[in-house]
Amino acid sequence: EPEVTQTPSHQVTQMGQEVILRCVPISNHLYFYWYRQILGQKVEFLVSFYNNEISEKSEIFDDQFSVERPDGSNFTLKIRSTKLEDSAMYFCASSFSYEQYFGPGTRLTVT
Amino acid sequence: GEDVEQSLFLSVREGDSSVINCTYTDSSSTYLYWYKQEPGAGLQLLTYIFSNMDMKQDQRLTVLLNKKDKHLSLRIADTQTGDSAIYFCATTGHGSSNTGKLIFGQGTTLQVKP
Repeated sequence: EPEVTQTPSHQVTQMGQEVILRCVPISNHLYFYWYRQILGQKVEFLVSFYNNEISEKSEIFDDQFSVERPDGSNFTLKIRSTKLEDSAMYFCASSFSYEQYFGPGTRLTVT
Repeated sequence: GEDVEQSLFLSVREGDSSVINCTYTDSSSTYLYWYKQEPGAGLQLLTYIFSNMDMKQDQRLTVLLNKKDKHLSLRIADTQTGDSAIYFCATTGHGSSNTGKLIFGQGTTLQVKP
């Protein structure tokens, strides 16, 4: 069964460093998403992406964040200058229509 | 703003039915979902219901939607120890049925005792 994959599973970085989180969505899906879950809090929407552009973004998704689909299979989330409060589990999701399928997540720890 | 609320914890005996409840604020939510998260794993889509439906049954799972009260529930029949997990309710956000943004509840931890 096709699934969304994410790498790495755990990333540790120092404050101020750039990180890139990678996702491979399900191959025939058209819509791509990033969500995050800070420990003990709700899963929060960050951004949705369709037809090679952002279709919606949350207030969290400020200028420090960017997304890209560089090669038609990968979907990446870049955080330019990480802060302590960016520590969270980051989930990628993809959908063909209204069923969103999630990856296993990348745990980002900013020290 | 948009909000989805769930109770945090539910404990049942193996073989009993479990009912996990969720309330939401956005009456324009088009699709409502239930996801399951096992330890160390991602969010697994369990089932969903379209807003013009009252009920959906899928094997041991029954979803009930009360639009008037903005209340969604997930019933798991004959609950097994393998059903122990965190269950998330999610809705499409206001005006987001085209972009797909999901609004999540905080998750209900289901503990199934043998």
